Amino acid sequence: GAVVSQHPSRVICKSGTSVKIECRSLDFQATTMFWYRQFPKQSLMLMATSNEGSKATYEQGVEKDKFLINHASLTLSTLTVTSAHPEDSSFYICSARDLAGGIGNTIYFGEGSWLTVV
Amino acid sequence: GEDVEQSLFLSVREGDSSVINCTYTDSSSTYLYWYKQEPGAGLQLLTYIFSNMDMKQDQRLTVLLNKKDKHLSLRIADTQTGDSAIYFCAEIERGATNKLIFGTGTLLAVQP
Repeated sequence: GAVVSQHPSRVICKSGTSVKIECRSLDFQATTMFWYRQFPKQSLMLMATSNEGSKATYEQGVEKDKFLINHASLTLSTLTVTSAHPEDSSFYICSARDLAGGIGNTIYFGEGSWLTVV
Repeated sequence: GEDVEQSLFLSVREGDSSVINCTYTDSSSTYLYWYKQEPGAGLQLLTYIFSNMDMKQDQRLTVLLNKKDKHLSLRIADTQTGDSAIYFCAEIERGATNKLIFGTGTLLAVQP
């Protein structure tokens, strides 16, 4: 089946630094990718919709200058957490929609990335 | 708005059936999904159902959809310890964005 890969799976960074998380669709093209954040024992919160070749659409309450999203190709979207703080520590998950498929079962999720800011 | 609600916790014995329930509010959802999340991992799509269906069966999984009551359920037959995980239902947001709206998640604990 289709695979979405995230990298890194775990990252620890110092407070004030920036960290980049990559989301790749390995065997399909995705014009749209989604970035979610998940706090421990909670559901997924959609942060933004990443559109290939255009600006991302951010959900209400999500700081676009803090969470930079770039979707430069049909197989890669990146999320950069700028000037990270401990409260940004979380599990970040991306998903991608298969351009070639219909709606039904064509939204695939990455394995997630654990970010710890110390 | 779109709110998808689930009970937080379910405990069953190995070999029994598990039923995880979900209620949603957006009656225009075309597809509804069930995802499984094991500790520290991403989401695995288990199954999905189109809104014009009442039931879908896939091996040990049975999905029931009651559109009138906006109620979705996932039944796992012969539950195994490997089924222990958090289960999320999700619906597609109205419009062409294909954004998924997730439920609150149900932690399934399977006792040996």
